[in-house]
Amino acid sequence: NAGVTQTPKFQVLKTGQSMTLQCAQDMNHEYMSWYRQDPGMGLRLIHYSVGAGITDQGEVPNGYNVSRSTTEDFPLRLLSAAPSQTSVYFCASTRQGAMNTEAFFGQGTRLTVV
Amino acid sequence: RKEVEQDPGPFNVPEGATVAFNCTYSNSASQSFFWYRQDCRKEPKLLMSVYSSGNEDGRFTAQLNRASQYISLLIRDSKLSDSATYLCVGREYGNKLVFGAGTILRVKS
Repeated sequence: NAGVTQTPKFQVLKTGQSMTLQCAQDMNHEYMSWYRQDPGMGLRLIHYSVGAGITDQGEVPNGYNVSRSTTEDFPLRLLSAAPSQTSVYFCASTRQGAMNTEAFFGQGTRLTVV
Repeated sequence: RKEVEQDPGPFNVPEGATVAFNCTYSNSASQSFFWYRQDCRKEPKLLMSVYSSGNEDGRFTAQLNRASQYISLLIRDSKLSDSATYLCVGREYGNKLVFGAGTILRVKS
């Protein structure tokens, strides 16, 4: 079972470059989200989606865009990379509705902006 | 102030020890709580949900005290394989997860 597939695993960008982090899930989950994890900060929510065509901002959305054209895919776009965006990025999906449903995470993308 | 606060540790314990982690949360609207485990350079994975009545899964016991806004995780008979970072997580309305920064556990032989 694939679960949540996130690519790439590693990426180095130069300041000002743009890129897209891919995320796909095969569990038919309605809710998908992107987090970044920095040392000592825990995971922080960037953007989330409650279904195809619906997205919203999380805690730290600046510098990132998302779209949700299908239930399966939720790409994260960095518009103009900055060194402050050096981080580990995780995509997650959750079945909507029940209170204690598990969030499933992709394997993460380690992004370095130089 | 962070919404979910944890002691970052590290907790260094010998095999077989009992260790307890605590977590406090500030948003009383948080609806449910979890402990996730994260191994080094890996994604978080659900360890267990946390209920007010307390719940146990093998060597792991979790407890939620809504009045004190306090969550705990107790690990008995620690194994080397328990070494990881333990994340305290609250779920808010709409499936939003709020993460603590994590507590590092190192179990040594």
